[in-house]
Amino acid sequence: NAGVTQTPKFQVLKTGQSMTLQCAQDMNHEYMSWYRQDPGMGLRLIHYSVGAGITDQGEVPNGYNVSRSTTEDFPLRLLSAAPSQTSVYFCASSFDNEQYFGPGTRLTVT
Amino acid sequence: EDQVTQSPEALRLQEGESSSLNCSYTVSGLRGLFWYRQDPGKGPEFLFTLYSAGEEKEKERLKATLTKKESFLHITAPKPEDSATYLCAVQFYNQGGKLIFGQGTELSVKP
Repeated sequence: NAGVTQTPKFQVLKTGQSMTLQCAQDMNHEYMSWYRQDPGMGLRLIHYSVGAGITDQGEVPNGYNVSRSTTEDFPLRLLSAAPSQTSVYFCASSFDNEQYFGPGTRLTVT
Repeated sequence: EDQVTQSPEALRLQEGESSSLNCSYTVSGLRGLFWYRQDPGKGPEFLFTLYSAGEEKEKERLKATLTKKESFLHITAPKPEDSATYLCAVQFYNQGGKLIFGQGTELSVKP
């Protein structure tokens, strides 16, 4: 099992550009989520999904979109990148209340 | 508002010097409390889940305990490889099962 994989590992964007952060898991978990981690702020939930076709907003959803067409994949889209979105992004999947995190994507918006 | 606070922010220990990390939360229908370990440049790694006051879980040199308003992560005779940031997260019934994370405690164990 690869667990939770994320691509890319690093990304630099210019303000206004759009991009998609990829997340995939091979554990057949129904619940998947996206977090951002900023110094002094802890991990904050952006969006989550309880299964294919079902998504909902977390604590900080503005500027981000998600979709869940399959159980395995849960991409996060930045519509128009802003410097405030500079952060480390983690995808997670969970089973029976145990969350498994991916290695993260470090995003810088200039 | 439901909140999670971890203390201290940073902790430096000598190898073998036991100590405890604290995670306190406002009471509003706790569904579960979780501890994670995070190494630099990596995603959090699940350690424990606690569900009810009085519950304890152990793993190697780590023991997690839970009361009605806080949890402790006890580290017994730590080794340098225990150095990491330890994150606490809580799940409340009125938050739809979402996790709310504390800011973490950065632990450094010197040989």
